[in-house]
Amino acid sequence: GQQVMQIPQYQHVQEGEDFTTYCNSSTTLSNIQWYKQRPGGHPVFLIQLVKSGEVKKQKRLTFQFGEAKKNSSLHITATQTTDVGTYFCAAISGGYNKLIFGAGTRLAVHP
Amino acid sequence: DAEITQSPRHKITETGRQVTLACHQTWNHNNMFWYRQDLGHGLRLIHYSYGVQDTNKGEVSDGYSVSRSNTEDLPLTLESAASSQTSVYFCASSARTDDSPLHFGNGTRLTVT
Repeated sequence: GQQVMQIPQYQHVQEGEDFTTYCNSSTTLSNIQWYKQRPGGHPVFLIQLVKSGEVKKQKRLTFQFGEAKKNSSLHITATQTTDVGTYFCAAISGGYNKLIFGAGTRLAVHP
Repeated sequence: DAEITQSPRHKITETGRQVTLACHQTWNHNNMFWYRQDLGHGLRLIHYSYGVQDTNKGEVSDGYSVSRSNTEDLPLTLESAASSQTSVYFCASSARTDDSPLHFGNGTRLTVT
């Protein structure tokens, strides 16, 4: 079935540095969603990308969907301690609104 | 406000016991899902339902079952708990469109001893 590979598994940055996580698939995706999970919390929806080459921004977060719709990235500019958590990408797999998640990238931000 | 509630938040049980985790949503969503979360594996889909009386197996369904008798609830049952089922379990729901985001509950941490 559909799989999405996410890298890196873990990233440790100093506050103010940038951060990027990547999500890759061997097959074309219809769309991709991104979620954030704070430590001890539950995943919370951030954004969905649908169109080839789409770029969306939420304040310091920039989301991109590749031209071939096989990869996506989340970039955070000038990280803050509030950005700490695990970021997941998710894609529909083999069924209506059945989301398969990447393994996640855990971000640690040190002040 | 609409919400999705899981209970209990924490559960310790013994190997071989039957355990049921509850999930109740007030979003009036048709779609409901159960995921388990383990270090290094992210969120893996156990079972899901697209509506009343509909249930489907996910990628890690062995040893688990669900039933959907109404829109609001999708209980997850571990027929005979095993240590490998020690995990954090998340229930989620979404509306009936292919681009709807998932709304997650707060999770249940299950320990099987």
